[in-house]
Amino acid sequence: QVQLEESGPGLMQPSETLSLTCTVSGFSLTSNGVGWVRQPLGKGLVWMGTIWAGGSTNYNSAVQSRLSISRDTSKSQVFLKMNSLQPEDTGTYYCARQRGDGFDYWGQGVMVTVSS
Amino acid sequence: DVVMTQTPVSLSVSLGGQVSISCRSSQSLVHNNGNTYLSWYLQKPGQSPQLLIYKVSNRFSGISDRFSGSGSGTDFTLKISRVEPDDLGVYYCGQGTQYPWTFGGGTKLELK
Repeated sequence: QVQLEESGPGLMQPSETLSLTCTVSGFSLTSNGVGWVRQPLGKGLVWMGTIWAGGSTNYNSAVQSRLSISRDTSKSQVFLKMNSLQPEDTGTYYCARQRGDGFDYWGQGVMVTVSS
Repeated sequence: DVVMTQTPVSLSVSLGGQVSISCRSSQSLVHNNGNTYLSWYLQKPGQSPQLLIYKVSNRFSGISDRFSGSGSGTDFTLKISRVEPDDLGVYYCGQGTQYPWTFGGGTKLELK
């Protein structure tokens, strides 16, 4: 079945670069895109960006200058890198399978805290 | 950016009852290709969101017919009939018509 699992460090310092990995199974990254969605604690959902099946990417303009999404199809992994972290980047980061206009399967999320 | 406004912010319901959640967008969600990319998600306590409805009114695989979506343009509604305990949580609408994709602030469904 379709599964996604996020991994990465839980605690980051301001100005550092965040690196998260989303490992997928049950589908191919060359057939489906994967997006990243952030959820600040107790708040709503914010789409950050997507890497499509063909390898192209789209980013939320609010974080575009700091964000990079890439993948390794041979390992079924998608990567998120975001630099110049600030406390407001704190939240749960989800990767989710793209179904074109939305997300049909989500990972369990990884909590990231940015604090000195 | 397209702003998605959900009302109410919270909702109390009795088991077996029916509720409606409204989602309004600041711009029309009709894409150039004629489709309207409005989805509904449910986030149960302590869990990740799950897709309920896509393209306004299409139920995702395995979703009960107690959930129904409707609307057009900028005004959309999610109806839940015969509410069950497993329906409780926060409901989000989301648009995939225009970048950046955006979500509503959420509607928390609680038991009365």
